[in-house]
Amino acid sequence: DGGITQSPKYLFRKEGQNVTLSCEQNLNHDAMYWYRQDPGQGLRLIYYSQIVNDFQKGDIAEGYSVSREKKESFPLTVTSAQKNPTAFYLCASTTGTGETQYFGPGTRLLVL
Amino acid sequence: AQTVTQSQPEMSVQEAETVTLSCTYDTSESDYYLFWYKQPPSRQMILVIRQEAYKQQNATENRFSVNFQKAAKSFSLKISDSQLGDAAMYFCAYRRDSNYQLIWGAGTKLIIKP
Repeated sequence: DGGITQSPKYLFRKEGQNVTLSCEQNLNHDAMYWYRQDPGQGLRLIYYSQIVNDFQKGDIAEGYSVSREKKESFPLTVTSAQKNPTAFYLCASTTGTGETQYFGPGTRLLVL
Repeated sequence: AQTVTQSQPEMSVQEAETVTLSCTYDTSESDYYLFWYKQPPSRQMILVIRQEAYKQQNATENRFSVNFQKAAKSFSLKISDSQLGDAAMYFCAYRRDSNYQLIWGAGTKLIIKP
């Protein structure tokens, strides 16, 4: 089955620690996105990549980093510079024409 | 910059009845896409329906339909014959043409009364 997988489902971060969220897709989509969801709010864009080895900052990129070494993978690192990382993180992908974004099941990040 | 507004934080409807969720947006682009997504308690984001701005005909997907008013920048979702499985958060989203980024409303929580 084609789709988007995210792991882990839950992730705990200690103070000063960097953590990496995984996102993999087998839909052969060109573009991939990372969104952050906080309670009572819509999703906000962190980073996006429209092609391998290239990515751009979204609206709330500070404290996050990404890489796009393979078409199917777009990992997100939450660095220690992100002071309020507790949120639900969603990964999405779309074709080159971008008509519809499809989403993974999400990762819940909590701070210990 | 584009913005999306959902003015109803919560709506409730009796099972089998019809409910309409509101969404307004602001943009200076002439061609764009609008979406309704559903997020059930599992938190999986699921596409409900999509509307292309250049198409005058309102999109329909089974029990779900939209009322797209381009001049008024309004994009409401109508759910007919509401079912218990329709209970979820519903988000309206605008697709920015430059990078295909989605701009999201804050969501409407839909409660279905049995």
